[in-house]
Amino acid sequence: SQQGEEDPQALSIQEGENATMNCSYKTSINNLQWYRQNSGRGLVHLILIRSNEREKHSGRLRVTLDTSKKSSSLLITASRAADTASYFCATERGSTLGRLYFGRGTQLTVWP
Amino acid sequence: GAGVSQSPSNKVTEKGKDVELRCDPISGHTALYWYRQRLGQGLEFLIYFQGNSAPDKSGLPSDRFSAERTGESVSTLTIQRTQQEDSAVYLCASSQTWTEETQYFGPGTRLLVL
Repeated sequence: SQQGEEDPQALSIQEGENATMNCSYKTSINNLQWYRQNSGRGLVHLILIRSNEREKHSGRLRVTLDTSKKSSSLLITASRAADTASYFCATERGSTLGRLYFGRGTQLTVWP
Repeated sequence: GAGVSQSPSNKVTEKGKDVELRCDPISGHTALYWYRQRLGQGLEFLIYFQGNSAPDKSGLPSDRFSAERTGESVSTLTIQRTQQEDSAVYLCASSQTWTEETQYFGPGTRLLVL
């Protein structure tokens, strides 16, 4: 069964605006990862945050993790049309290392 | 270097037929994973291979699904007696080891069962 739930399911913004996507999960985790998927094909790994970390940055991406609330957020700053894609959070549990549990994803559309 | 490759890219089959999907992981990656993604959904874990250890088959949805891996290279996912609900994109991923958290995904095989 899926572990995470992203919200919103769909997000539509203008270029230059920031996009924030949220992810909630149900059980304790080892780490949480965000992936991007274009056109329903292969996923690209964006960023990983471990359970003992609270915030991480990578370029225009900022991820936060609140283990007490079992939630994470992905912020994309100064969005571009090329950021249009589906974004998924995935969690790895300590009890099943290697196996990822994915949410349903957020479809982000950035209008030029 | 080369990424994860999968073949075929697309497969259309008739209900009841068997299909084989192939995955070539990144060279040197000991861990290999299969996922299924139904339309508009997230990825469902199917099976996980790590080196010579027994695979984690806990995600396989039925005994019609099976997978093999030759050493630390190619893997084949077989679906027997396909059903329409098997229609999905089947994604393969690999990572250096089971403790390497980042998984590198292939482009997927889009399976349509008529």
